[in-house]
Amino acid sequence: DTAVSQTPKYLVTQMGNDKSIKCEQNLGHDTMYWYKQDSKKFLKIMFSYNNKELIINETVPNRFSPKSPDKAHLNLHINSLELGDSAVYFCASSLGRTSISTDTQYFGPGTRLTVL
Amino acid sequence: AQTVTQSQPEMSVQEAETVTLSCTYDTSESDYYLFWYKQPPSRQMILVIRQEAYKQQNATENRFSVNFQKAAKSFSLKISDSQLGDAAMYFCACLNGANSKLTFGKGITLSVRP
Repeated sequence: DTAVSQTPKYLVTQMGNDKSIKCEQNLGHDTMYWYKQDSKKFLKIMFSYNNKELIINETVPNRFSPKSPDKAHLNLHINSLELGDSAVYFCASSLGRTSISTDTQYFGPGTRLTVL
Repeated sequence: AQTVTQSQPEMSVQEAETVTLSCTYDTSESDYYLFWYKQPPSRQMILVIRQEAYKQQNATENRFSVNFQKAAKSFSLKISDSQLGDAAMYFCACLNGANSKLTFGKGITLSVRP
């Protein structure tokens, strides 16, 4: 009965490849997020979606494209992977019934991406 | 832009003792929310406590409590009766009520001595 789940937990790939990370939440939340945690453990918001609509789009390279097929899923696709993309990527969700959500965000277990 | 500062990179506490983790923030918003998250070695981000800026009363959750000083823009976390399982990285974060952006501090690593 995991609340926010991500697959895979670990991803090792070569530079230049394209990869996807999937996120699902069963909390009935309307808002979902992607965060990147770098090697120094610094966490930064990348994107947020409210009911399948893009709300937050931080300064992230175009190689990163989020996709929300429904409000329970938010996937992250990364094209032409670079060494600097190596990080832990966290998905999160909040109740967020409107596009501006002040509700608590609950995080998934993270996906450690290693680009060789 | 809002910022969150955790100036202590590491702290250590004896089991059963009390420890306070410091955090300061800066925001131009009147509507904001403050959080402490815990990240154990498993890397899961776990919510510890939430404080609404409009509430004067300090939030508490069992052994965890905050000292929220709005004028000083300070939001410290007090852990009472520290347990070995409290050893983790702790992140302070500020949620902007105008745009939903959650800004994190750099984190502090807490170790608990048996």
